[in-house]
Amino acid sequence: AQKITQTQPGMFVQEKEAVTLDCTYDTSDQSYGLFWYKQPSSGEMIFLIYQGSYDEQNATEGRYSLNFQKARKSANLVISASQLGDSAMYFCAMREERRQFYFGTGTSLTVIP
Amino acid sequence: DGGITQSPKYLFRKEGQNVTLSCEQNLNHDAMYWYRQDPGQGLRLIYYSQIVNDFQKGDIAEGYSVSREKKESFPLTVTSAQKNPTAFYLCASRNQDLYNEQFFGPGTRLTVL
Repeated sequence: AQKITQTQPGMFVQEKEAVTLDCTYDTSDQSYGLFWYKQPSSGEMIFLIYQGSYDEQNATEGRYSLNFQKARKSANLVISASQLGDSAMYFCAMREERRQFYFGTGTSLTVIP
Repeated sequence: DGGITQSPKYLFRKEGQNVTLSCEQNLNHDAMYWYRQDPGQGLRLIYYSQIVNDFQKGDIAEGYSVSREKKESFPLTVTSAQKNPTAFYLCASRNQDLYNEQFFGPGTRLTVL
């Protein structure tokens, strides 16, 4: 079974609009961490936001927020006020306690002017 | 400046040759990772190391080898046994804590001719 599932291969959003990128995960651990990374065309991986399994509040970092629904095992990334520079691949990742990271297959986001 | 360096950025090799990709970090991180990324796909773990002189196989270790003689360095050798080595290779490091993200290097694009 896939540990991380991202069902949207590609997404389009109008500049200045908000967009939600979906991520579901599979784990039987109680303690785990969820991460989102951005990968521009240059290839570097840029850390965006983190959510711990015990965190009761949804994480926020500037224009990024993580919509964490533990019972549904989902960790969707919300980007508000999209900018042209947000066009990139976005990867959801999970780390279970004392284990490796697992990455999803990514969502390609295109921001339209 | 603290960070992770990978060299070279682009690498071309003939089929059947071994090649070593460099990864160095000055972040004082204990854990280091090697990932492979193919076009349109997510990251797949090749090897990881949580401490000097120790490393574990990831999901796709066949045809690859690593060493971890120093905390700062985690070189990856792509051997001739790797059937399809052309890919983008990313190195990462992190502190050993569930809640810490991975920091990534800029990547090496390997093309086998």
